[in-house]
Amino acid sequence: NAGVTQTPKFRVLKTGQSMTLLCAQDMNHEYMYWYRQDPGMGLRLIHYSVGEGTTAKGEVPDGYNVSRLKKQNFLLGLESAAPSQTSVYFCASTGTSGNTIYFGEGSWLTVV
Amino acid sequence: AQSVTQLGSHVSVSEGALVLLRCNYSSSVPPYLFWYVQYPNQGLQLLLKYTSAATLVKGINGFEAEFKKSETSFHLTKPSAHMSDAAEYFCAVSPYGGATNKLIFGTGTLLAVQP
Repeated sequence: NAGVTQTPKFRVLKTGQSMTLLCAQDMNHEYMYWYRQDPGMGLRLIHYSVGEGTTAKGEVPDGYNVSRLKKQNFLLGLESAAPSQTSVYFCASTGTSGNTIYFGEGSWLTVV
Repeated sequence: AQSVTQLGSHVSVSEGALVLLRCNYSSSVPPYLFWYVQYPNQGLQLLLKYTSAATLVKGINGFEAEFKKSETSFHLTKPSAHMSDAAEYFCAVSPYGGATNKLIFGTGTLLAVQP
């Protein structure tokens, strides 16, 4: 079982470039999330989705956009990358009960 | 609203000593509570979770945690530390039966194990 798959795993961007991180889950989960992890700050929620076609802002949404056109995919976009967006990004998903949350393996992004 | 406080960003223990990592939560509704472990340059691994059943929860690698509603705590313990336990540990809360099921994380505790 694939679970939650993130692509790419590693990426280096120049300031001002754009990119999209893809999260795919094969568990038919309703809820999907994007987090960023920075030293000393834990994981902070960027955006989330409670179902296909829906998105909502989390704790740190500025500079990011998301889309959930298909239930199994949750895309995170950076329109104009900034060095402050250098981070490790984690995608997660869960079903309606919310008692088991599955994480992807992370995407390491460096903006120079 | 939910929040998590992990007391102590760095904890150091000797091999064989008790491990105690503290987590206090705030939640306006009954919570689900989780502990995750992260080894260097790796993803998150679920250690254990409390989902409103038994208050003493046993997880992988000999870890356990006790949900104490009166103290709003969910501290992680292990009787005897092993060198392989050195990692960063995250406590997280999610509202039981909430509309979003989103996890709120603490800032993490880095555990060092001295030989």
